[in-house]
Amino acid sequence: DAGVTQSPTHLIKTRGQQVTLRCSPKSGHDTVSWYQQALGQGPQFIFQYYEEEERQRGNFPDRFSGHQFPNYSSELNVNALLLGDSALYLCASSFGQSDYEQYFGPGTRLTVT
Amino acid sequence: KNQVEQSPQSLIILEGKNCTLQCNYTVSPFSNLRWYKQDTGRGPVSLTIMTFSENTKSNGRYTATLDADTKQSSLHITASQLSDSASYICVVSVGSNYQLIWGAGTKLIIKP
Repeated sequence: DAGVTQSPTHLIKTRGQQVTLRCSPKSGHDTVSWYQQALGQGPQFIFQYYEEEERQRGNFPDRFSGHQFPNYSSELNVNALLLGDSALYLCASSFGQSDYEQYFGPGTRLTVT
Repeated sequence: KNQVEQSPQSLIILEGKNCTLQCNYTVSPFSNLRWYKQDTGRGPVSLTIMTFSENTKSNGRYTATLDADTKQSSLHITASQLSDSASYICVVSVGSNYQLIWGAGTKLIIKP
């Protein structure tokens, strides 16, 4: 049983560019949440997708957007990258919009230069 | 304001010793509290989840306690191993809207 997978593992982008990160949830899960974790900090909630819709959103600008596909996989898009967007981006999956049993992927390390 | 504070910020102990990490929260309404272990550069892994009515919960050498009256939780690690070196994050779930409040974590280093 595959757990949560994320791609790519590492990514280097230039300020102003756009980036797309991908996540496949654990088998049987239908809810995907995205987090940003700066070095030495706890994860910050970006948004959650359930039934292909954004259900909740944290305190992030509109430059951060996402999508969930019919197979429950999800993408996180960030436009007009800033140096401060450099972080580990974590995807977590769960079932039925609940986060009680939430499993995290290994993360994507994004570096903006 | 919903907040989760953890202490100490970092801790170094010798292999085989025990340690206790602290978590204080001001979250309302409280739903549940969980402890995660996060290795450097990896996603967090759940250790325990406790609801309001649970005072203690164990997962192998990890034992979490919860005092809902004082809004404090602790994570006790027994007979530490080198593989316990990681960040330990306390997370509190708010009400029924699935919002999670994350602490900044305690960085634990186990030395041989």
